[in-house]
Amino acid sequence: QSILTQPPSVSGAPGQRVTISCSGSSSNIGTGYDVHWYQQLPGTAPKLLIYGNTNRPSGVPDRFSGSKSGTSASLAITGLQADDEADYYCQSYDSDVSAWVFGGGTKLTVL
Amino acid sequence: QVQLQESGPGLVKPSETLSLTCSVSGGSIRDYYWSWIRQSPGKGVEWIGYIFYSGSTNYSPSFQSRVTISVDMTKHQFSLKLTSVTAADAAVYYCARQPLDYWYFDLWGRGTQVTVSS
Repeated sequence: QSILTQPPSVSGAPGQRVTISCSGSSSNIGTGYDVHWYQQLPGTAPKLLIYGNTNRPSGVPDRFSGSKSGTSASLAITGLQADDEADYYCQSYDSDVSAWVFGGGTKLTVL
Repeated sequence: QVQLQESGPGLVKPSETLSLTCSVSGGSIRDYYWSWIRQSPGKGVEWIGYIFYSGSTNYSPSFQSRVTISVDMTKHQFSLKLTSVTAADAAVYYCARQPLDYWYFDLWGRGTQVTVSS
């Protein structure tokens, strides 16, 4: 059971918009700690996708966006493409366990 | 372009010590925190700990009693030692870079699979 909760899977057709939620608590997201998102393509290491809740590293398309409200955060992907098919993880800091923590991951399937 | 590369034994016996090294190439080791993170089907993605070039460390309480992270500035490497391993420690181990004052991991190595078996 991860401290940050994500849906195990989401899916969408090419061109559509999908969102992935990341639910936390008052000891992590709700306290104000930033949320970061990673994309993990099959057989590769996670890659930073969104940092500081809403910021995209250089090279990440603006089809990817992040938001945060209260004890939750979301990753939105618009204009779905086949190569967006991957696992997505949220990450934050948790003061109860004094560690950086990751969500359980969400597998995105492009139909 | 900075790159990270993990190396070490892919097979460790139960109760023994897991030892991995991360080589940093293409950039300075001074300006970041350097972390170890692992990923397994059973426990997901777990942050183990980080080290600064000065040698200061910060370990996850989940691993505190068993982990040591060290740095070798001359070789541009940092290392992980995890003692008394069990089957639960089988995972892909990644080294990763963490910018100072920012709590995300902006660069990861490719990862190395570690199996725990006699």
